[in-house]
Amino acid sequence: QKEVEQDPGPLSVPEGAIVSLNCTYSNSAFQYFMWYRQYSRKGPELLMYTYSSGNKEDGRFTAQVDKSSKYISLFIRDSQPSDSATYLCAMSEGGKLIFGQGTELSVKP
Amino acid sequence: GAVVSQHPSRVICKSGTSVKIECRSLDFQATTMFWYRQFPKQSLMLMATSNEGSKATYEQGVEKDKFLINHASLTLSTLTVTSAHPEDSSFYICSVGQGPNTEAFFGQGTRLTVV
Repeated sequence: QKEVEQDPGPLSVPEGAIVSLNCTYSNSAFQYFMWYRQYSRKGPELLMYTYSSGNKEDGRFTAQVDKSSKYISLFIRDSQPSDSATYLCAMSEGGKLIFGQGTELSVKP
Repeated sequence: GAVVSQHPSRVICKSGTSVKIECRSLDFQATTMFWYRQFPKQSLMLMATSNEGSKATYEQGVEKDKFLINHASLTLSTLTVTSAHPEDSSFYICSVGQGPNTEAFFGQGTRLTVV
């Protein structure tokens, strides 16, 4: 079993839809959680960084962490075609990042 | 967040030659940098942790003699793929963080193709 599980998709939604992306993990020692967006052939770009259970909102993005269930989510409201990318969850263990497989998202105009 | 510059963005080399990839932290001094490898449609896999002024720490299964890492200054780490083979073709990405358990910021990545 991988330490971090993420549905690879692909996920296709119409413009304006609410997108829900999820990851589960097995290591209860993970304390810090991140979501990255990666466009094709580019390096990952940090979207959200959280370190406790609960919600964190930034514009159209909301990150949710449930440590009791070992489950994290990223919600994208009013999705745009420019949101089409691969979304990676990541968890920090002593400074090293453990990544999920990434979910490929396509937002259709 | 930190600004990380990686060069080159793309390189094609012949089998058996060596290729050097540079990773620069442009706006803060990074004692630690990380090197990742990413195959198509797959996630990032940590290869090694680059420590300024000391030897790099390699992940299990990564050949340290093949992937040479040098971190001679607080703003520059280099990854040299020695005696490259077609199976080394991949996307290599570096990252920096401002400390343990802080956000990591990534370079643009280098696409290596060995022919």
